[in-house]
Amino acid sequence: GAVVSQHPSWVICKSGTSVKIECRSLDFQATTMFWYRQFPKQSLMLMATSNEGSKATYEQGVEKDKFLINHASLTLSTLTVTSAHPEDSSFYICSARSYTDTQYFGPGTRLTVL
Amino acid sequence: DAKTTQPPSMDCAEGRAANLPCNHSTISGNEYVYWYRQIHSQGPQYIIHGLKNNETNEMASLIITEDRKSSTLILPHATLRDTAVYYCIVRVGGANTGNQFYFGTGTSLTVIP
Repeated sequence: GAVVSQHPSWVICKSGTSVKIECRSLDFQATTMFWYRQFPKQSLMLMATSNEGSKATYEQGVEKDKFLINHASLTLSTLTVTSAHPEDSSFYICSARSYTDTQYFGPGTRLTVL
Repeated sequence: DAKTTQPPSMDCAEGRAANLPCNHSTISGNEYVYWYRQIHSQGPQYIIHGLKNNETNEMASLIITEDRKSSTLILPHATLRDTAVYYCIVRVGGANTGNQFYFGTGTSLTVIP
């Protein structure tokens, strides 16, 4: 149980395009999901907290107009990187909070912007 | 949330117990201790968590000192597949608390054949 999936697992896009990443909780409902970013050889950095049916809460320094988050259902949150640039290339990871208050993480999405 | 301090790296012989320490001297009474690990290029995997008492599951044991200022994660019989970065996180539990996890730098555990 407590499986979280992400799609796609990797994506390559051209500079200036937008990329959407999906995060799904497969066997539980999650009112709260989280998005992280991880650069090579660094730790995970929390980007935003996504609450079902309401606006996401962004961490300081994260541009909400660039990283659009939608949490339209109890099992799906999406992160859209708008007008992506090479510096947005990173490993994006989502997590979902279960009813036991534990966070379960997805496998991550590797984004490369050319 | 309280800050944690972990050694940057550790080695452990295969088959032996791996003991990973974590200091959280500023932990407050309602903060839980969580352990996750991240194998290269994968999402973090939940291992175990606790509040005051020692905990054990099929993956590991968590020993929390009586004053709760430090804890130790124990992998009883380390295998090569346990090579990963291990993160100790303290965070307020329960609903309506935000529940954010802030990751530190973790401990890179290498299991040696």
